[in-house]
Amino acid sequence: RKEVEQDPGPFNVPEGATVAFNCTYSNSASQSFFWYRQDCRKEPKLLMSVYSSGNEDGRFTAQLNRASQYISLLIRDSKLSDSATYLCVVLARLNQKVTFGTGTKLQVIP
Amino acid sequence: NAGVTQTPKFQVLKTGQSMTLQCAQDMNHEYMSWYRQDPGMGLRLIHYSVGAGITDQGEVPNGYNVSRSTTEDFPLRLLSAAPSQTSVYFCASRQSRQSYEQYFGPGTRLTVT
Repeated sequence: RKEVEQDPGPFNVPEGATVAFNCTYSNSASQSFFWYRQDCRKEPKLLMSVYSSGNEDGRFTAQLNRASQYISLLIRDSKLSDSATYLCVVLARLNQKVTFGTGTKLQVIP
Repeated sequence: NAGVTQTPKFQVLKTGQSMTLQCAQDMNHEYMSWYRQDPGMGLRLIHYSVGAGITDQGEVPNGYNVSRSTTEDFPLRLLSAAPSQTSVYFCASRQSRQSYEQYFGPGTRLTVT
């Protein structure tokens, strides 16, 4: 089983739609969780951290479920500019190891 | 601040050739790392450094060497290139091992024929 698993997609959604991505992780000792965004042929950039209580940044909402070991990212009112690959990232508690998921590709269609 | 810079952006090598991928950051970050990104594999850690003079192996270190003589620079050396090393290479830095936000360079696209 991969340490961090994501549905690769692609998710093709119309502008204005709401879309949700899930990510599961296998290491129950994981400490911190993040979503990164990677545009085509570009470097990954931090989108947002994920807190146990859930957090929101504009149209983006991230949730963490430690009991079921998954995190989610919800994007409301999708824009064309949201088209990218979204990487789930997990930071281990003991050795601070960072593990990236393979990413979920989102294509927002006019 | 330029952030994290990488050179070259593109490189084609023949099997057996050696080369160095350059990485520099101007944010005075302690922690630097090298990843490779392959389709369906995600980003995999090659080597990392927690400070000048200290380096360690990541998940896929074979065929690569690193050194960290200064805080700013963290070059990655391919000793004898193989087609399996065809990939996109990203250098990243973060303030310290405990910091969570990583800053990535723009990447180097390497093809080994």
